[in-house]
Amino acid sequence: DQQVKQNSPSLSVQEGRISILNCDYTNSMFDYFLWYKKYPAEGPTFLISISSIKDKNEDGRFTVFLNKSAKHLSLHIVPSQPGDSAVYFCAARVNGGSQGNLIFGKGTKLSVKP
Amino acid sequence: DAGITQSPRYKITETGRQVTLMCHQTWSHSYMFWYRQDLGHGLRLIYYSAAADITDKGEVPDGYVVSRSKTENFPLTLESATRSQTSVYFCASSSDLNEKLFFGSGTQLSVL
Repeated sequence: DQQVKQNSPSLSVQEGRISILNCDYTNSMFDYFLWYKKYPAEGPTFLISISSIKDKNEDGRFTVFLNKSAKHLSLHIVPSQPGDSAVYFCAARVNGGSQGNLIFGKGTKLSVKP
Repeated sequence: DAGITQSPRYKITETGRQVTLMCHQTWSHSYMFWYRQDLGHGLRLIYYSAAADITDKGEVPDGYVVSRSKTENFPLTLESATRSQTSVYFCASSSDLNEKLFFGSGTQLSVL
């Protein structure tokens, strides 16, 4: 059963507009959420994170929102730029989990058109 | 160069062969991880290591072997490669179990 779900495989946005990438999770024990960005032929790189005790975290053009009651988080990119075109992975961590690993979603491919 | 490096970048092998993917990090991070990325599955954890000589299974460990004799190296071995192990493999490291991961550039493995 998939614990972290990114239901949109792809998203296309015009340059300058807002990109909204969504992520749903099922495990209420998750206490920390991260977004990773991945360009082709490169490894994922950390983008932004949020603790379960917060509902918003902002870093420049990137903002992550967390709705715990809905078990939903979203990544907003404003304004979107062509260089933001990449695959975005949502990841979640289990509080005190024995494995300590991140659970990743399947990713959403963002295309920002000039 | 500082960071985390994987080798080879690309590898083609045949079913039944043994193949080892290398991972080296220069940060002295305690934790190292191996993930595989497949279409429709995202990133899945194969094995991870908390320190030298300490390893543990992840979500998809079958068919893989790891070792960690030195903190900086974490090789992944496919003892008898199968076509289902065709994938892109990413090594990652972190300073602490709950810190963000730093990923290598990946190894694209094709098993024919």
